[in-house]
Amino acid sequence: DAGVTQSPTHLIKTRGQQVTLRCSPKSGHDTVSWYQQALGQGPQFIFQYYEEEERQRGNFPDRFSGHQFPNYSSELNVNALLLGDSALYLCASSLGGTQNTGELFFGEGSRLTVL
Amino acid sequence: GDSVTQMEGPVTLSEEAFLTINCTYTATGYPSLFWYVQYPGEGLQLLLKATKADDKGSNKGFEATYRKETTSFHLEKGSVQVSDSAVYFCALTGPYGGATNKLIFGTGTLLAVQP
Repeated sequence: DAGVTQSPTHLIKTRGQQVTLRCSPKSGHDTVSWYQQALGQGPQFIFQYYEEEERQRGNFPDRFSGHQFPNYSSELNVNALLLGDSALYLCASSLGGTQNTGELFFGEGSRLTVL
Repeated sequence: GDSVTQMEGPVTLSEEAFLTINCTYTATGYPSLFWYVQYPGEGLQLLLKATKADDKGSNKGFEATYRKETTSFHLEKGSVQVSDSAVYFCALTGPYGGATNKLIFGTGTLLAVQP
């Protein structure tokens, strides 16, 4: 049973560029959340997708956007990259709706470096 | 808003020593509480959880008790091993069952166990 998979694992961009990160949830999960983890910090909630819609959003600017596909996979897009966007981006999957158990399963993350 | 405060690290212990990592929280209502662990180069893994007051979560020799009166969820282990070296994150989320599973994390505590 594959867990949460993310790609790419590492990438380097320059300021002003755009980046797309991808996530496939654990088999059977329908909800995907994205977190940003800066070096030495705890993960910060970016947003969550359920039934192809953004269900909740954290305190991140509109430069951060996402999408969920019918197969429940998800993308995180960041436009106009800033140096401060350098971080580990974590995807987490879970069951939504009435099957929600409160537990998240995390991928290994995509490490973004902005130069 | 809701928040989690955990003791700063690093915590350096010798093998077989007793471990305590303190965690306190601020939340409205009755959150669920979690400890996640992040081994070097890996994603976050759920270590244990507790969903209501006085619940004790346990896994791999680690324990934590949900103390509503002191708003705490301290992590303990009686005898640590070198393989326990990792970063430990305390986190909370709203009561599950239709909630969005948004996790609020502490800043993490690095544990280094020496042989």
